[in-house]
Amino acid sequence: SQQGEEDPQALSIQEGENATMNCSYKTSINNLQWYRQNSGRGLVHLILIRSNEREKHSGRLRVTLDTSKKSSSLLITASRAADTASYFCATGQAGTALIFGKGTTLSVSS
Amino acid sequence: NAGVMQNPRHLVRRRGQEARLRCSPMKGHSHVYWYRQLPEEGLKFMVYLQKENIIDESGMPKERFSAEFPKEGPSILRIQQVVRGDSAAYFCASGQGGDTQYFGPGTRLTVL
Repeated sequence: SQQGEEDPQALSIQEGENATMNCSYKTSINNLQWYRQNSGRGLVHLILIRSNEREKHSGRLRVTLDTSKKSSSLLITASRAADTASYFCATGQAGTALIFGKGTTLSVSS
Repeated sequence: NAGVMQNPRHLVRRRGQEARLRCSPMKGHSHVYWYRQLPEEGLKFMVYLQKENIIDESGMPKERFSAEFPKEGPSILRIQQVVRGDSAAYFCASGQGGDTQYFGPGTRLTVL
């Protein structure tokens, strides 16, 4: 069964706009990770946030985590056409399998 | 430092044939994970291996599927007597037992 569920399923924006994707999960976690997948390619690790962290930044990415609501959000600021991809959240513990959501498909048009 | 390598990138098989998918982890990584992705879906865990040991195979179908990670050489995911429902992208990831897993480009299996 899916642990994480991303919302929305699909998102279309213009270059320069911000994109926000949400992820909800069901069980307690040690950390939550976000991955990007370009069409027909493998997954690229974007950012990891631990359960004792509330917010984390990496370049144009900002991730928040609310363990009380079992949810996380990924914000991409000043989006570019190259950000067009599917984005997945994943939960797991060190050395164990990751459990992925179904992903949000982001389309950024110029 | 090369990333995770998978081959072949694309594999076409007829129903009933065998499919062998290979994964070479990143240098220094001794943990390998296999995932399957169906169209428009997220990745689903199949099996987790360390050198010569299967640690967790809870996501792998009991029949026709097997995996190994020998002392020397790549990890192999084998699917015997393939059926159309096996058509998917199969991803391998490697790690050092920590939180982050590094993914390969995947093998896209098509069963005719």
